[in-house]
Amino acid sequence: EPEVTQTPSHQVTQMGQEVILRCVPISNHLYFYWYRQILGQKVEFLVSFYNNEISEKSEIFDDQFSVERPDGSNFTLKIRSTKLEDSAMYFCASSGQARNTEAFFGQGTRLTVV
Amino acid sequence: AQSVTQLGSHVSVSEGALVLLRCNYSSSVPPYLFWYVQYPNQGLQLLLKYTTGATLVKGINGFEAEFKKSETSFHLTKPSAHMSDAAEYFCAVSEAYDMRFGAGTRLTVKP
Repeated sequence: EPEVTQTPSHQVTQMGQEVILRCVPISNHLYFYWYRQILGQKVEFLVSFYNNEISEKSEIFDDQFSVERPDGSNFTLKIRSTKLEDSAMYFCASSGQARNTEAFFGQGTRLTVV
Repeated sequence: AQSVTQLGSHVSVSEGALVLLRCNYSSSVPPYLFWYVQYPNQGLQLLLKYTTGATLVKGINGFEAEFKKSETSFHLTKPSAHMSDAAEYFCAVSEAYDMRFGAGTRLTVKP
């Protein structure tokens, strides 16, 4: 069964450092998403990406965040200068069509900023 | 913008009892609604979804949910809880390119 793959599963970084979280969406999907979940809290939408551009982003997705699809298979989330409050589980998801198809989620990357 | 409210951050039931997890939504357009389940240290798995058509939707593991437009609700039910149902459950609504989640309900199943 096709699945969304995220690497690494756990990333520890020092405050102020840049991190790149990587995702390989399901191969024939067209819509890609990043969500985050701070420990014990709700899943929060960060950004959606379609046709090589951001289609929607939340208020959380400020200038320190960026997304890229550098090739035909990877989808990355970059955090330029990490803060302690960026510590969270980051989930990548992809879907085949807008809205009416389910989003398949990866297992997540746990980011710890120290 | 769309939003979701899940009533009850923690629900506890006995094995074999009815499971009812409540979800109310707000949307400016006809919503697409989803229930996801998250087991410890895992990602989100789709339980069921409502897009159009029949308002009672059946999902995996014996769960179902009913879309009630008049009540703006999409409650999740299961007639008989199993120990393996213990997890975090998230209701979500989609209007366009994003999906907004509720705060989640942790389901505990007692033997």
